[in-house]
Amino acid sequence: RKEVEQDPGPFNVPEGATVAFNCTYSNSASQSFFWYRQDCRKEPKLLMSVYSSGNEDGRFTAQLNRASQYISLLIRDSKLSDSATYLCVVNKGNTPLVFGKGTRLSVIA
Amino acid sequence: NAGVTQTPKFQVLKTGQSMTLQCAQDMNHEYMSWYRQDPGMGLRLIHYSVGAGITDQGEVPNGYNVSRSTTEDFPLRLLSAAPSQTSVYFCASSRRSTGWAFFGQGTRLTVV
Repeated sequence: RKEVEQDPGPFNVPEGATVAFNCTYSNSASQSFFWYRQDCRKEPKLLMSVYSSGNEDGRFTAQLNRASQYISLLIRDSKLSDSATYLCVVNKGNTPLVFGKGTRLSVIA
Repeated sequence: NAGVTQTPKFQVLKTGQSMTLQCAQDMNHEYMSWYRQDPGMGLRLIHYSVGAGITDQGEVPNGYNVSRSTTEDFPLRLLSAAPSQTSVYFCASSRRSTGWAFFGQGTRLTVV
């Protein structure tokens, strides 16, 4: 089983839609969790951290469920500029980050 | 702020050639890593370093060497290039034990 698993998509949604991505991780020792965004032919960039209590940043909401070992990202009111690949990332502490393969989102006008 | 600087951005090598991909960061980050990204494979860790003088292997280290003589620099050496090393290479840096990694712009390498 892969350490971090994501549905690769693509998710094709119309502008204004709400879309959600899930990610599962296998190592219960994982300590911190993140969503990164990667635009086509660009480097990944941190989108937001994921906390047990959940966190929100504008139209983006991230949730963590430690018992079920999954992480979610919700995007409300999708914009064309949200089209990208979203990477789920897990950190076990003093080890390098582990990246999921990413979920591709296309927002269509 | 330069952040993480990778050079070159593009490179074509012939099979058997060697080269060094450069990576430098100006944020005084302890952690630096090299990843390769291939279609359908996601980001795979090649080598990483938790501080100057300390390096370790990642998931796909074969065919690559690294060294970390300073906090700022973390070069990746391809010893004898093979077509299987055709990929996009990313260098990243972060503070100890955080997930806030900063990436360079990537190097697109083609081995023919």
